[in-house]
Amino acid sequence: AQKITQTQPGMFVQEKEAVTLDCTYDTSDQSYGLFWYKQPSSGEMIFLIYQGSYDEQNATEGRYSLNFQKARKSANLVISASQLGDSAMYFCAISGQVYNFNKFYFGSGTKLNVKP
Amino acid sequence: DTAVSQTPKYLVTQMGNDKSIKCEQNLGHDTMYWYKQDSKKFLKIMFSYNNKELIINETVPNRFSPKSPDKAHLNLHINSLELGDSAVYFCASSQDTGYEQYFGPGTRLTVT
Repeated sequence: AQKITQTQPGMFVQEKEAVTLDCTYDTSDQSYGLFWYKQPSSGEMIFLIYQGSYDEQNATEGRYSLNFQKARKSANLVISASQLGDSAMYFCAISGQVYNFNKFYFGSGTKLNVKP
Repeated sequence: DTAVSQTPKYLVTQMGNDKSIKCEQNLGHDTMYWYKQDSKKFLKIMFSYNNKELIINETVPNRFSPKSPDKAHLNLHINSLELGDSAVYFCASSQDTGYEQYFGPGTRLTVT
């Protein structure tokens, strides 16, 4: 079975600074995907970024980048130039094989607060 | 246009009642999901449908029954509601299993 661990329940960052949200995973699959989602206080879940296990380059999407270290089984999210609107819960997830299908496993989330 | 929509957004009901939550996606995706998010924000998969077929059925009480009339819709019916069913229920869809999932706005269910 797959497992995702987010060890930071809450974090603070100053506006305009960069912040790294930690995510480690455990899987026996050779092929898997790693995902990050944002959940603002309004409640919706917003897909941010995806990294495939065979991708050699780290994924980037605007101010978001995924620091993928396969040997360490970590997939940290880096947010550059934090904005007040980045204050939210952030969830890391992994897709793992279950029979012929893939299933998502979510971490417990990290609550990010951006200070002005 | 909303990609994944759910109705209702809020649902307040009494113990023992039966209720349904509807979900529709207009993304042309083949796979749809139901998740439960508890008060501690933990997200847990409940069901997954691929091309209208149930492929993932987690340890969920039989009182919960999903129905997928077509690939664009996945409804959730809950019988005999209990206090512990209070949570936010999210519908999601993806191109196929293993691809990024797009979530609906959630339905906050409160059982009194």
